[in-house]
Amino acid sequence: EAGVAQSPRYKIIEKRQSVAFWCNPISGHATLYWYQQILGQGPKLLIQFQNNGVVDDSQLPKDRFSAERLKGVDSTLKIQPAKLEDSAVYLCASSLDWSGTEAFFGQGTRLTVV
Amino acid sequence: QKEVEQDPGPLSVPEGAIVSLNCTYSNSAFQYFMWYRQYSRKGPELLMYTYSSGNKEDGRFTAQVDKSSKYISLFIRDSQPSDSATYLCAMSQGGKLIFGQGTELSVKP
Repeated sequence: EAGVAQSPRYKIIEKRQSVAFWCNPISGHATLYWYQQILGQGPKLLIQFQNNGVVDDSQLPKDRFSAERLKGVDSTLKIQPAKLEDSAVYLCASSLDWSGTEAFFGQGTRLTVV
Repeated sequence: QKEVEQDPGPLSVPEGAIVSLNCTYSNSAFQYFMWYRQYSRKGPELLMYTYSSGNKEDGRFTAQVDKSSKYISLFIRDSQPSDSATYLCAMSQGGKLIFGQGTELSVKP
């Protein structure tokens, strides 16, 4: 079974530029999560999709972050414009059902904003 | 107050030691309790999850949940250098996964 795929693995951008991350979840997984993990901290939930509907985006900075999940499969997370404090690893995870008990994570995208 | 509190460590133990990792939480509505392991520059990997208070064992790992005290633990028996990683507790409510800060563990040969 293929895992959660994310791209790119690394990205360096200047502040005020825009960037997009892509995630392909495990086939058949209804729930998709985007997390932000700052160095030395635990993952922080940004947004949770159930199929292609948003379940929770309460911690997504909506003035600069946006996310979509087309056709309930792939997802993209965009930052525009980026700030220095956005430097982090962005993790995508998926789970088969709504409970979140068996969420599988991708390798993450390491973003550096300079 | 954070919903999930976890001592970041670092924790250093000799090979073969029993390791105890802990988290406390404030939200009594959490339904599921998970432990993840994260190696450097990798995504978190699920070790085990539990639903009710009590113990759950999987090989050298034992997860313990005490809902009355809002306290969960992960015990690692006969720790190995390959167990060196960051251990994250996570809890879910309605599918929303909330993580602790993670405890960095180093097992010395």
